[in-house]
Amino acid sequence: QQQVKQSPQSLIVQKGGISIINCAYENTAFDYFPWYQQFPGKGPALLIAIRPDVSEKKEGRFTISFNKSAKQFSLHIMDSQPGDSATYFCAANRVGGSEKLVFGKGTKLTVNP
Amino acid sequence: KAGVTQTPRYLIKTRGQQVTLSCSPISGHRSVSWYQQTPGQGLQFLFEYFSETQRNKGNFPGRFSGRQFSNSRSEMNVSTLELGDSALYLCASSLARGTGGYTKNIQYFGAGTRLSVL
Repeated sequence: QQQVKQSPQSLIVQKGGISIINCAYENTAFDYFPWYQQFPGKGPALLIAIRPDVSEKKEGRFTISFNKSAKQFSLHIMDSQPGDSATYFCAANRVGGSEKLVFGKGTKLTVNP
Repeated sequence: KAGVTQTPRYLIKTRGQQVTLSCSPISGHRSVSWYQQTPGQGLQFLFEYFSETQRNKGNFPGRFSGRQFSNSRSEMNVSTLELGDSALYLCASSLARGTGGYTKNIQYFGAGTRLSVL
């Protein structure tokens, strides 16, 4: 059973544009929502994470928006750059319970110059 | 500080063989988790070890097993390989497990072992 649904599967954005990736979760016990960035040939690297007591978190050009009532969270990449081209995964788990991360299927982002 | 190290990086095996993959966590990290990544299924949790004990297991057959040593290094083993086992196997380590706040539970991934079963 997929517990984190991610969309879109792929995304093409022009340099300088805004990239938006959405995720929805089912398990209300989840209390930690990280986003990982993966380049070809590399393992996923933590990009930014949010807890459900916060509605938005910003780090540089990357922002997570969190809607607890809708059980949705999204990643916004402002001023997208060709170097941002990668696959992005949202994930969720319950810290203090099962430590396993439940991942979305991933979004392949291409930023055209 | 060195990151998570996985060896080997690439493996080619044939059906029916067995394989052992190795993971060295970040120094001081005690929790190690394993994930399988395939184009069709994405990232799926295999198992997690903490203090040499398996704490959690994903929905994989018994052919997939693992262990953790006293120095936190971990190995996973796949016996009787099948074509469908071809995947990128990722190891992730974290400082703590369930305590110490969110920061200590951040999982850091290695580059993975690419397994091809022919």
